[in-house]
Amino acid sequence: DIQMTQSPSSLSASVGDRVTITCRASQNITSYLNWYAQKPGKAPKLLIYAASSLQSGAPSRFSGSGSGTDFTLTIGSLHPEDSATFYCQQSFSASRTFGRGTKVEIK
Amino acid sequence: QVQLQESGPGLVKPSQTLSLACTVSGGSISSGTYWWNWIRQRPGKGLEWIGSIFYSGTTYYNPSLKSRVDISVDTSKNQFSLKVTSLTAADTGVYYCAREMGLYCLTTTCPTSYGLDVWGQGTTVTVSS
Repeated sequence: DIQMTQSPSSLSASVGDRVTITCRASQNITSYLNWYAQKPGKAPKLLIYAASSLQSGAPSRFSGSGSGTDFTLTIGSLHPEDSATFYCQQSFSASRTFGRGTKVEIK
Repeated sequence: QVQLQESGPGLVKPSQTLSLACTVSGGSISSGTYWWNWIRQRPGKGLEWIGSIFYSGTTYYNPSLKSRVDISVDTSKNQFSLKVTSLTAADTGVYYCAREMGLYCLTTTCPTSYGLDVWGQGTTVTVSS
């Protein structure tokens, strides 16, 4: 199995801050990395696919980068509605895996 | 616009089998360009991928659940299903179905570039006597 390690597990930031979340794969997954946001009681929503492509309808303040084993999700300017848990997921192996999540809170 | 809807019992007894269905509307499950997935989330925990199926019936499973899980597809009903056997309290949680664009493959990699783009709203399953 490919293990996905996210950091930090949680963070607190102010509206307008630039926020960065990292995800590391246990082996090379090239660019097969996706990011999701989940709010309490709701299904996750796809934000970024293929490491850096913005999903249709996702706000442009979200961006992704990286390849190989190290990836980053950046929120360019934090909005109040960005309070959520963010997950990375690899889609390289036929057995998909998610990271454990990063909970983002607004100060 | 494609929508997914999970259905099934909310309460199941330990040692029994859970059966859930995901109905696809607004599109065909047989389109040949999508994998259909099951994901679950235990209370207070993260997302756990359970498995996926192509319309032809090819499946992939989470190795940790493979011995207890079966995913099938019914193209006539535009539906795919999940069965989990030998339930314990640890199987309690919210079960989601989701769509993932990708071509057919039969290898251990099977990479897809588009993520899980359409999700059902989730169905809560409680395993308790």
